[in-house]
Amino acid sequence: GAVVSQHPSWVICKSGTSVKIECRSLDFQATTMFWYRQFPKQSLMLMATSNEGSKATYEQGVEKDKFLINHASLTLSTLTVTSAHPEDSSFYICSAQRARQSGPESNQPQHFGDGTRLSIL
Amino acid sequence: QQPVQSPQAVILREGEDAVINCSSSKALYSVHWYRQKHGEAPVFLMILLKGGEQKGHEKISASFNEKKQQSSLYLTASQLSYSGTYFCGTDTTNSGYALNFGKGTSLLVTP
Repeated sequence: GAVVSQHPSWVICKSGTSVKIECRSLDFQATTMFWYRQFPKQSLMLMATSNEGSKATYEQGVEKDKFLINHASLTLSTLTVTSAHPEDSSFYICSAQRARQSGPESNQPQHFGDGTRLSIL
Repeated sequence: QQPVQSPQAVILREGEDAVINCSSSKALYSVHWYRQKHGEAPVFLMILLKGGEQKGHEKISASFNEKKQQSSLYLTASQLSYSGTYFCGTDTTNSGYALNFGKGTSLLVTP
């Protein structure tokens, strides 16, 4: 197990539209989910860390009012790109991590969704 | 804080071996390795938690040199299915989850 579903897989919309992307862990509970942005042939750039029931932690340079994150349950996190513009066009990927056990041997892998390709016209 | 991966790209013939390195300027608590195929999500390969730890999965293995702040991924007798971009993710804060990913190493295995 450890399946993460991301929806939609592709969005094309007009400038000024808000777009919501969902990330679901299907067969495990994820206390932590991550949102990344990836440009073509580039690395995964962490945008924010989302913890269930609390506010997301945004990386430096990421506008929290632009990229709204909600982690309402242990299996669902959403990213809303508000008033999207062409420069927001990118590949957005979420990942989910199982609840971390205490102690030094506590690292859990991140399980990635299939990503959402966002194109803003 | 982004780890440095080398080489940037490598082309192999099927059956050849390759090594991908991941170096950090900060102390490492863990290293994660992922493989991403074009247009797909990254797939988890393995985590190394302790200095000196080595792990393997079929013909893909990795080592973690805590002193040198680096990890290496070894691909032995490469198969066509090994093609993709390999990313290392490093935990430099002992948080257990916040990773910094390298720029990736593009691997192409040809027949």
